[in-house]
Amino acid sequence: TQLLEQSPQFLSIQEGENLTVYCNSSSVFSSLQWYRQEPGEGPVLLVTVVTGGEVKKLKRLTFQFGDARKDSSLHITAAQPGDTGLYLCAGVFGGQNFVFGPGTRLSVLP
Amino acid sequence: DTGVSQNPRHKITKRGQNVTFRCDPISEHNRLYWYRQTLGQGPEFLTYFQNEAQLEKSRLLSDRFSAERPKGSFSTLEIQRTEQGDSAMYLCASSQLAGALTGELFFGEGSRLTVL
Repeated sequence: TQLLEQSPQFLSIQEGENLTVYCNSSSVFSSLQWYRQEPGEGPVLLVTVVTGGEVKKLKRLTFQFGDARKDSSLHITAAQPGDTGLYLCAGVFGGQNFVFGPGTRLSVLP
Repeated sequence: DTGVSQNPRHKITKRGQNVTFRCDPISEHNRLYWYRQTLGQGPEFLTYFQNEAQLEKSRLLSDRFSAERPKGSFSTLEIQRTEQGDSAMYLCASSQLAGALTGELFFGEGSRLTVL
C-alpha cells in the first residue's frame, strides 16, 4: 500500500509570511500533483510534476519534486488570506490510481 | 455547467438503510473515480472506472459498497446496510486518459452522508 505523508498537519500564519509544506513517501511516484480544497468543495488541481528535480512556479507558489521522485514541497511567498485551504498532494504510482495524502490545513490571518 | 455533478448533495439516513449516490462526469472524460473523505483527512480512494470497466477497487471497500458505470457515462455508488462509520463526504472525479502518465482530476462538490 502506497502511503503519502504531509507536514505540517496544520499551519496558521499572518498575511505576508512565507511558508513551506511537504509531501513524502517511501515509494517512487510516477508523477505527483498538488490540489487545494476549500470547505464544501472538491479539490482543485494546482500543478503536476513529473520529472525528478523539477521546479514549477505558479505566481506566488513554487513546487519542487525531489530528485528521487519520493517527495515534494510547496512554498508560498507572501501568503494572503485567499490562500487559506486544505493543500493535498496526490501521487500516481505506476498505474493510473491517484493516492492522496492527509493534507495540510493552512490558515492565513489578515 | 459542464463540470462534474453529484447528487444528492446531502443525505441523512438511519443505520441499516441503503443509499445511492450518482455522479455525472464531464462528458468527454473516460475515467471516473470515487473517493471518500472524512473531516480533516485527504480523499481516500474507493474505486475507478475506465469507460464502463471497473479497473480497480480498494481493499478497504467492504462488500456493502458497490459502484457501477453501466454505459460509460454516469456512475452510481450504492452503500447497503449503512453504518455510522460510513458517514463521510463521497467525492466523484473524472479525467481524460490520453496516453500520458497523468491527467487532471476534476472533482464534483461531493455528496455528504450522515448515518444516524
